[in-house]
Amino acid sequence: SAVISQKPSRDICQRGTSLTIQCQVDSQVTMMFWYRQQPGQSLTLIATANQGSEATYESGFVIDKFPISRPNLTFSTLTVSNMSPEDSSIYLCSATGNSGSKYYNEQFFGPGTRLTVL
Amino acid sequence: QKEVEQDPGPLSVPEGAIVSLNCTYSNSAFQYFMWYRQYSRKGPELLMYTYSSGNKEDGRFTAQVDKSSKYISLFIRDSQPSDSATYLCAMRVDQGGKLIFGQGTELSVKP
Repeated sequence: SAVISQKPSRDICQRGTSLTIQCQVDSQVTMMFWYRQQPGQSLTLIATANQGSEATYESGFVIDKFPISRPNLTFSTLTVSNMSPEDSSIYLCSATGNSGSKYYNEQFFGPGTRLTVL
Repeated sequence: QKEVEQDPGPLSVPEGAIVSLNCTYSNSAFQYFMWYRQYSRKGPELLMYTYSSGNKEDGRFTAQVDKSSKYISLFIRDSQPSDSATYLCAMRVDQGGKLIFGQGTELSVKP
């Protein structure tokens, strides 16, 4: 499977600050996604990170709050802006295998970034 | 009604038992079905991936898809304590589409 790494693995932040989470995939992938998983809950898609263009956000998520970059086929960042305690969650990066790979159409996840906002 | 329904459990079984995990869904357009395992404080790990209806087996794990009933299952044979985790079903309509997750079932296998 594709190996996805995230930095930082966890952080504790103050209200009103911003945190940028990095996601690196070990091979070129077609699509990259950002999810949020609140304690004891399932995964909620925040946005699809598009290479070379603006991210596509799901209902309830906006670019001003969650700006996303994807400068190339293996890297993406998610920023959580002007944080409040309600943003405390696990943020997960995900990717689907490239059309030329045996993992095409399979979707993999990174280990997650555990964010606590005080 | 949620698009994907999954009993959250928790489900507790003795070691060696056969475990059956299930999801139902409402969108008949779903074609791609996945099962993920998530250990505490880890990201989801893809266990099984199935396209359309039928069965798929991998070691102790078998995934079944019944599109006529809008029902998918994951069977774990000879369950082990190391299988203790949350199991999430997920599905999507097409290759580039949004993956819709169930709520996840927490499984505990007791030695």
